[in-house]
Amino acid sequence: DAGVIQSPRHEVTEMGQEVTLRCKPISGHNSLFWYRQTMMRGLELLIYFNNNVPIDDSGMPEDRFSAKMPNASFSTLKIQPSEPRDSAVYFCASTLEGSANYGYTFGSGTRLTVV
Amino acid sequence: AQKVTQAQTEISVVEKEDVTLDCVYETRDTTYYLFWYKQPPSGELVFLIRRNSFDEQNEISGRYSWNFQKSTSSFNFTITASQVVDSAVYFCALSEARNNDMRFGAGTRLTVKP
Repeated sequence: DAGVIQSPRHEVTEMGQEVTLRCKPISGHNSLFWYRQTMMRGLELLIYFNNNVPIDDSGMPEDRFSAKMPNASFSTLKIQPSEPRDSAVYFCASTLEGSANYGYTFGSGTRLTVV
Repeated sequence: AQKVTQAQTEISVVEKEDVTLDCVYETRDTTYYLFWYKQPPSGELVFLIRRNSFDEQNEISGRYSWNFQKSTSSFNFTITASQVVDSAVYFCALSEARNNDMRFGAGTRLTVKP
């Protein structure tokens, strides 16, 4: 099992540019989550999907952020236009909904720096 | 919405000391899940334990133990005979069964000195 795979690991971009973060969940997991981690706000849930359908996007900071899950094995988080305050580590996690014994498995994260 | 409070921002101990990390939660659901995660300096989030609201049995895994008390809405984590490799930020989290999302506490930074 390769775990949750995120790419890229690091991204440096200029303010105003579009940024796309990618996530491949664990095969067979049907719930996927995007989190953002900053020193000021800690770990925040941005959005999560069940069976590829967005369930709760109330954590998405503003319209510049969008997330998609076109199929069970791939999700993207897009920021356009990016701003310096978007600099953070973005984590993707997946789990098997309804399972009593699974934890949420996190990817290694994408460290985004917007200059 | 659910809420998790980790009142201890930072803890520093000397190797071999026991240390307890506190976690207090709030939820209106009767079915929920509690978690602990470890984030070492390398930055990844490592799953340690998941406990459901109907199972108040304490759990022990090697030097780690967890004390779940519904009466005080607490899910505390104890490391016995701490080691330098235990140095990390530890997060407590809560997921309500009805909405399947997981909310984290602010984390406790544990430093174990040799």
